[in-house]
Amino acid sequence: EAGVTQFPSHSVIEKGQTVTLRCDPISGHDNLYWYRRVMGKEIKFLLHFVKESKQDESGMPNNRFLAERTGGTYSTLKVQPAELEDSGVYFCASSQVDRGPKAFFGQGTRLTVV
Amino acid sequence: AQTVTQSQPEMSVQEAETVTLSCTYDTSENNYYLFWYKQPPSRQMILVIRQEAYKQQNATENRFSVNFQKAAKSFSLKISDSQLGDTAMYFCAFMKHGSNTGKLIFGQGTTLQVKP
Repeated sequence: EAGVTQFPSHSVIEKGQTVTLRCDPISGHDNLYWYRRVMGKEIKFLLHFVKESKQDESGMPNNRFLAERTGGTYSTLKVQPAELEDSGVYFCASSQVDRGPKAFFGQGTRLTVV
Repeated sequence: AQTVTQSQPEMSVQEAETVTLSCTYDTSENNYYLFWYKQPPSRQMILVIRQEAYKQQNATENRFSVNFQKAAKSFSLKISDSQLGDTAMYFCAFMKHGSNTGKLIFGQGTTLQVKP
Protein backbone atom coordinates (compact mmCIF):
# COMPACT_ATOMS: atom_id res chain seq x y z
CA GLU A 1 0.00 0.00 0.00
CA ALA A 2 1.16 3.56 -0.62
CA GLY A 3 2.51 5.34 2.44
CA VAL A 4 1.88 8.81 3.72
CA THR A 5 3.02 11.34 1.12
CA GLN A 6 4.00 14.90 1.80
CA PHE A 7 4.96 17.62 -0.61
CA PRO A 8 6.87 19.61 -1.25
CA SER A 9 9.82 17.89 0.35
CA HIS A 10 11.59 21.24 0.70
CA SER A 11 10.40 24.81 0.56
CA VAL A 12 12.34 28.03 0.91
CA ILE A 13 10.29 31.20 1.19
CA GLU A 14 10.80 34.76 2.30
CA LYS A 15 9.42 36.15 5.49
CA GLY A 16 5.91 37.43 4.92
CA GLN A 17 5.11 35.03 2.10
CA THR A 18 2.54 32.25 2.16
CA VAL A 19 3.29 28.55 1.95
CA THR A 20 0.95 25.58 1.73
CA LEU A 21 2.05 22.12 2.70
CA ARG A 22 0.13 19.06 1.61
CA CYS A 23 -0.28 15.62 3.12
CA ASP A 24 -1.87 12.59 1.51
CA PRO A 25 -2.57 9.97 4.19
CA ILE A 26 -2.78 6.26 3.64
CA SER A 27 -6.09 5.44 1.97
CA GLY A 28 -8.76 4.60 4.50
CA HIS A 29 -7.02 6.24 7.45
CA ASP A 30 -9.47 8.49 9.24
CA ASN A 31 -6.90 9.94 11.64
CA LEU A 32 -4.50 12.53 10.28
CA TYR A 33 -1.93 14.38 12.38
CA TRP A 34 0.42 17.28 11.79
CA TYR A 35 3.62 17.63 13.80
CA ARG A 36 6.54 20.06 13.60
CA ARG A 37 10.19 19.84 14.55
CA VAL A 38 12.03 23.08 14.98
CA MET A 39 15.79 22.70 14.56
CA GLY A 40 17.36 20.72 17.38
CA LYS A 41 14.20 20.43 19.41
CA GLU A 42 11.58 17.79 19.93
CA ILE A 43 8.82 16.99 17.47
CA LYS A 44 5.68 18.77 18.62
CA PHE A 45 2.06 17.98 17.93
CA LEU A 46 0.12 20.58 15.97
CA LEU A 47 -3.30 19.10 15.34
CA HIS A 48 -5.41 16.03 14.70
CA PHE A 49 -8.18 15.42 12.20
CA VAL A 50 -10.72 12.64 12.33
CA LYS A 51 -11.98 12.52 8.79
CA GLU A 52 -12.69 16.16 7.97
CA SER A 53 -13.21 17.33 11.54
CA LYS A 54 -10.56 18.88 13.76
CA GLN A 55 -10.41 16.67 16.86
CA ASP A 56 -7.62 18.52 18.63
CA GLU A 57 -5.85 21.67 17.49
CA SER A 58 -4.25 22.52 20.79
CA GLY A 59 -0.75 22.52 19.31
CA MET A 60 -1.30 25.11 16.62
CA PRO A 61 1.09 27.93 17.47
CA ASN A 62 -1.01 30.91 16.34
CA ASN A 63 -3.60 32.05 13.84
CA ARG A 64 -1.07 32.31 11.04
CA PHE A 65 -1.46 28.53 10.70
CA LEU A 66 -4.54 27.11 9.00
CA ALA A 67 -5.13 23.41 8.48
CA GLU A 68 -7.85 21.89 6.37
CA ARG A 69 -8.93 18.44 5.35
CA THR A 70 -11.66 18.81 2.83
CA GLY A 71 -13.60 15.63 2.19
CA GLY A 72 -11.62 13.78 4.80
CA THR A 73 -8.88 12.80 2.37
CA TYR A 74 -5.74 14.89 1.93
CA SER A 75 -4.87 17.76 4.23
CA THR A 76 -3.20 21.11 3.74
CA LEU A 77 -1.37 23.28 6.23
CA LYS A 78 -1.07 26.90 5.25
CA VAL A 79 1.26 29.37 6.91
CA GLN A 80 0.36 33.00 6.20
CA PRO A 81 2.35 35.16 6.62
CA ALA A 82 5.42 33.06 7.33
CA GLU A 83 7.87 34.17 10.02
CA LEU A 84 11.48 33.12 10.59
CA GLU A 85 10.53 30.98 13.59
CA ASP A 86 8.26 28.87 11.42
CA SER A 87 11.30 27.19 9.90
CA GLY A 88 11.50 23.50 10.64
CA VAL A 89 10.36 20.10 9.43
CA TYR A 90 6.63 19.51 9.25
CA PHE A 91 5.52 15.90 9.57
CA CYS A 92 2.21 14.37 8.72
CA ALA A 93 1.02 11.03 10.09
CA SER A 94 -2.08 8.92 9.65
CA SER A 95 -3.67 5.95 11.38
CA GLN A 96 -6.78 3.84 11.35
CA VAL A 97 -9.17 4.27 14.23
CA ASP A 98 -9.59 0.57 14.90
CA ARG A 99 -6.00 -0.58 14.45
CA GLY A 100 -4.52 0.54 17.72
CA PRO A 101 -1.90 3.19 18.43
CA LYS A 102 0.25 2.86 15.32
CA ALA A 103 0.80 5.96 13.27
CA PHE A 104 2.45 6.00 9.84
CA PHE A 105 4.54 9.05 9.05
CA GLY A 106 5.43 10.87 5.89
CA GLN A 107 8.98 11.93 5.09
CA GLY A 108 8.32 15.49 6.19
CA THR A 109 8.48 18.89 4.53
CA ARG A 110 11.50 20.99 5.39
CA LEU A 111 10.42 24.63 5.49
CA THR A 112 13.00 27.40 5.54
CA VAL A 113 11.87 30.97 6.00
CA VAL A 114 14.54 33.55 5.13
CA ALA B 1 1.70 17.39 31.28
CA GLN B 2 3.85 14.62 29.93
CA THR B 3 7.46 15.14 28.89
CA VAL B 4 9.98 12.90 27.15
CA THR B 5 13.73 13.42 27.43
CA GLN B 6 16.49 11.96 25.32
CA SER B 7 19.78 13.06 26.83
CA GLN B 8 22.08 11.80 24.07
CA PRO B 9 21.98 14.10 21.02
CA GLU B 10 24.50 11.96 19.12
CA MET B 11 25.90 8.47 19.41
CA SER B 12 28.07 6.22 17.31
CA VAL B 13 28.71 2.49 17.27
CA GLN B 14 30.83 0.11 15.27
CA GLU B 15 29.07 -2.24 12.93
CA ALA B 16 28.09 -5.53 14.60
CA GLU B 17 28.33 -4.06 18.09
CA THR B 18 25.54 -3.24 20.53
CA VAL B 19 24.34 0.24 21.43
CA THR B 20 21.77 1.52 23.91
CA LEU B 21 19.81 4.74 23.48
CA SER B 22 18.34 6.34 26.58
CA CYS B 23 14.91 7.81 27.14
CA THR B 24 13.19 9.03 30.27
CA TYR B 25 9.70 10.40 30.61
CA ASP B 26 7.47 12.04 33.12
CA THR B 27 3.78 11.35 33.53
CA SER B 28 1.12 10.93 36.18
CA GLU B 29 -0.72 8.43 34.00
CA ASN B 30 -0.69 4.76 34.95
CA ASN B 31 -1.48 3.32 31.58
CA TYR B 32 0.20 4.47 28.39
CA TYR B 33 2.26 3.44 25.38
CA LEU B 34 5.91 4.11 24.67
CA PHE B 35 7.47 4.02 21.24
CA TRP B 36 10.78 4.22 19.47
CA TYR B 37 10.66 5.69 15.97
CA LYS B 38 13.52 5.73 13.48
CA GLN B 39 14.05 8.30 10.75
CA PRO B 40 16.81 7.44 8.25
CA PRO B 41 18.33 10.40 6.37
CA SER B 42 15.79 11.95 3.98
CA ARG B 43 13.32 9.16 4.55
CA GLN B 44 10.11 8.75 6.43
CA MET B 45 9.90 7.97 10.09
CA ILE B 46 9.00 4.38 10.89
CA LEU B 47 7.97 2.61 14.08
CA VAL B 48 10.72 0.44 15.50
CA ILE B 49 9.13 -0.92 18.64
CA ARG B 50 6.19 -0.31 20.98
CA GLN B 51 5.70 -1.03 24.67
CA GLU B 52 2.43 -1.02 26.60
CA ALA B 53 2.93 0.19 30.15
CA TYR B 54 0.71 -2.45 31.72
CA LYS B 55 2.91 -5.21 30.28
CA GLN B 56 5.89 -6.07 32.41
CA GLN B 57 7.66 -7.99 29.69
CA ASN B 58 10.04 -5.93 27.63
CA ALA B 59 9.15 -5.68 23.96
CA THR B 60 11.49 -7.20 21.38
CA GLU B 61 11.59 -6.91 17.60
CA ASN B 62 14.44 -8.90 16.10
CA ARG B 63 17.66 -6.98 16.88
CA PHE B 64 15.76 -4.25 18.74
CA SER B 65 14.72 -4.58 22.35
CA VAL B 66 13.74 -2.23 25.13
CA ASN B 67 14.47 -1.99 28.82
CA PHE B 68 11.26 -0.63 30.31
CA GLN B 69 11.56 0.47 33.93
CA LYS B 70 8.13 1.82 34.86
CA ALA B 71 9.00 2.95 38.38
CA ALA B 72 12.05 4.80 37.13
CA LYS B 73 10.15 6.09 34.07
CA SER B 74 12.90 4.89 31.82
CA PHE B 75 12.58 3.35 28.35
CA SER B 76 15.89 2.59 26.67
CA LEU B 77 16.38 1.00 23.26
CA LYS B 78 19.05 -1.63 22.68
CA ILE B 79 20.21 -2.36 19.15
CA SER B 80 22.18 -5.57 18.86
CA ASP B 81 24.47 -6.48 15.97
CA SER B 82 24.29 -2.92 14.62
CA GLN B 83 24.08 -2.59 10.85
CA LEU B 84 24.92 0.31 8.57
CA GLY B 85 21.22 0.64 7.79
CA ASP B 86 20.56 1.45 11.43
CA THR B 87 22.13 4.86 10.89
CA ALA B 88 19.26 7.26 11.57
CA MET B 89 17.72 9.64 14.03
CA TYR B 90 15.82 7.83 16.76
CA PHE B 91 12.90 9.37 18.60
CA CYS B 92 11.35 8.16 21.82
CA ALA B 93 7.63 8.94 22.17
CA PHE B 94 4.77 8.67 24.66
CA MET B 95 1.03 8.28 24.17
CA LYS B 96 -1.71 8.11 26.78
CA HIS B 97 -3.65 4.86 26.71
CA GLY B 98 -7.25 5.29 25.69
CA SER B 99 -6.46 8.66 24.27
CA ASN B 100 -9.01 9.58 21.68
CA THR B 101 -6.50 11.75 19.88
CA GLY B 102 -3.56 9.40 19.49
CA LYS B 103 -1.30 12.36 20.14
CA LEU B 104 2.38 11.47 20.47
CA ILE B 105 4.78 13.35 22.72
CA PHE B 106 8.33 13.10 21.46
CA GLY B 107 11.80 13.47 22.85
CA GLN B 108 14.46 15.58 21.16
CA GLY B 109 15.92 12.68 19.22
CA THR B 110 19.26 10.87 19.14
CA THR B 111 21.33 10.73 15.98
CA LEU B 112 22.95 7.32 15.67
CA GLN B 113 25.87 6.73 13.33
CA VAL B 114 26.88 3.13 12.64
CA LYS B 115 30.48 2.99 11.47
CA PRO B 116 31.90 0.27 9.22
